[in-house]
Amino acid sequence: KAGVTQTPRYLIKTRGQQVTLSCSPISGHRSVSWYQQTPGQGLQFLFEYFSETQRNKGNFPGRFSGRQFSNSRSEMNVSTLELGDSALYLCASSLDLRGSWDTEAFFGQGTRLTVV
Amino acid sequence: AQRVTQPEKLLSVFKGAPVELKCNYSYSGSPELFWYVQYSRQRLQLLLRHISRESIKGFTADLNKGETSFHLKKPFAQEEDSAMYYCALRRIGATNKLIFGTGTLLAVQP
Repeated sequence: KAGVTQTPRYLIKTRGQQVTLSCSPISGHRSVSWYQQTPGQGLQFLFEYFSETQRNKGNFPGRFSGRQFSNSRSEMNVSTLELGDSALYLCASSLDLRGSWDTEAFFGQGTRLTVV
Repeated sequence: AQRVTQPEKLLSVFKGAPVELKCNYSYSGSPELFWYVQYSRQRLQLLLRHISRESIKGFTADLNKGETSFHLKKPFAQEEDSAMYYCALRRIGATNKLIFGTGTLLAVQP
């Protein structure tokens, strides 16, 4: 089956602009999580969506937002871009089996955002 | 506070040598512990998780609740093991949010 697909793979934006990243989860997966990966901070959790609802949120400013559509596809948006937002943004999808241990997160290849 | 600590940024070993990648965590409650691996130019993927107690590619990891550790071990390193390894935790049954350590780059020399 197809893996998690993220588009675009690369983006260059200027400070102050906004950007939208897209994630298509594995078919049947209803949970989508987003992470920011930087050399200094490593992988940091942004937010998780399930059934079009944000279920969990990390410690990022309000400029970072997301949403999930009825087909489980998700987008994240960053407004008023800053240089420090340059990072690899990863999306992960999971079967949502609350209470079960058998839930693996499958990651996409990421979107590399460069803010200049 | 929930935290995962991987004290080594880089671990360099020779082929055939034993490997131990350290991971310590702080968490109030019952976490699930994972090891993820990222090979060069590939996506992040699950290597193993403590609940399944399995060995993948010769790697094992035992959860030590007393020492709050989940170290990754392999008795004989192979060159193809060279990759970035991340330890992560998740609250059991509540969310898919993963808390990652900063990662350890394992370099296996020929």
